[in-house]
Formats: sequence, C-alpha cells, structure tokens
Amino acid sequence: AQSVTQLDSQVPVFEEAPVELRCNYSSSVSVYLFWYVQYPNQGLQLLLKYLSGSTLVKGINGFEAEFNKSQTSFHLRKPSVHISDTAEYFCAVSDQGGSEKLVFGKGTKLTVNP
Amino acid sequence: DVKVTQSSRYLVKRTGEKVFLECVQDMDHENMFWYRQDPGLGLRLIYFSYDVKMKEKGDIPEGYSVSREKKERFSLILESASTNQTSMYLCASSSTGTKYNEQFFGPGTRLTVL
Repeated sequence: AQSVTQLDSQVPVFEEAPVELRCNYSSSVSVYLFWYVQYPNQGLQLLLKYLSGSTLVKGINGFEAEFNKSQTSFHLRKPSVHISDTAEYFCAVSDQGGSEKLVFGKGTKLTVNP
Repeated sequence: DVKVTQSSRYLVKRTGEKVFLECVQDMDHENMFWYRQDPGLGLRLIYFSYDVKMKEKGDIPEGYSVSREKKERFSLILESASTNQTSMYLCASSSTGTKYNEQFFGPGTRLTVL
C-alpha cells in the first residue's frame, strides 16, 4: 500500500527566507506526485505535479519540487517566501495505472513571519 | 474554468439530526470524493464514486453514507450526526481520462455538531 510522510507538521520562517517542505512516499510501483496548497478557510488548490520527464517541476507562485526516485522523495522549495505563502501544504501520490484515489500526507503548516 | 461547489460553507447541526452535504461539479468528471479534514490528521477519504450510482468505501466510512444519482452531484449523508463528526468536509472530483488522477476541490463545508 502507498503512504506519504510529510516530515514537518509546522514550519515557521521569516519573510524572504528560503523554505523546503519535505515529502517522502512509499510505493512498489511508479507514481504520480502532487503538491496542493490550502489557504485559510479554503479548499485545496494544485500547486504542481510530477507526471514524468524532468525531475524538477515548477509550479505556481514561484514554488518548485524535485522528484528523487532513489530516495522516494518529492520536496517542495521556494527561494524567497512572502507573507501570502502562509498556508497548509499537502503532498499526495497516486499509482500509475492503478486506483483513481490519491493518498495524502498529513500536511505541513507554513507560517511566514514579517 | 473548472469548478466544484459545495452547498454550504458553514453548517451547525444538533446531535441526532440527519445532515446532507451537497457537492456539484461542472467538469463532467467520472470520479467524485468526500474527505474529512481534521488538525494533525490531514485528509481522510470517507467515500468515493466512480460512476453514477456506484460508490466505494474509503478509510473512514462509519457513520456516513453517500448518494450519486446524477453524474455532476455527489451527496454525503450523516444519518444521525454526532459531536465527533464536527469537522471540515471537502469534496473533490477527477477525470478518468487524464490517467494521473489530479483532483479538483471545492471550498469545503465546516460542520459543527452541538
């Protein structure tokens, strides 16, 4: 069975600092990987996805993620965060050619302080 | 632009009441999902439906049922609401045709059971 581990439940950073949100997954088959963002009192919005090809994926709002198959990781990064990036971030995985379901991590709450 | 709507943003009900949460998508998606979101637990799948009148239990179906009479509409039913069902409920949909199972989310319904 697949699982997703987000290693940090909370990450506080100062504005304009770089940030990395960590995500590791376990799966016995090839996967698709996603990062979603949830702003306060809203639903989830897709930030970026890895389907195939280049392991460095660029998303909206200046975020990027790197797929590392050997380490089964898909860490999210941003070189300089803004106050408006304060949100909860979810990593998710699905099987290639398998179930329609996504398996989500428990989320990382990013707080950007002035 | 893709859209998933949920009937209420906030709902307050009494213990023992029957509660209906409605979700509508306008993307002609085959798959629809209901999740509940609780702090520290992330998103947990309650039920999903892969076609009209078809449903499959998720990870936490106890105390819930669902109905999908039309392709665009997926309802979550709490037969007899209890205080431990106070939570944020998120609906999502996805297309079978895309293969990679990207899900599109509604804004969520915050349910309080008193």
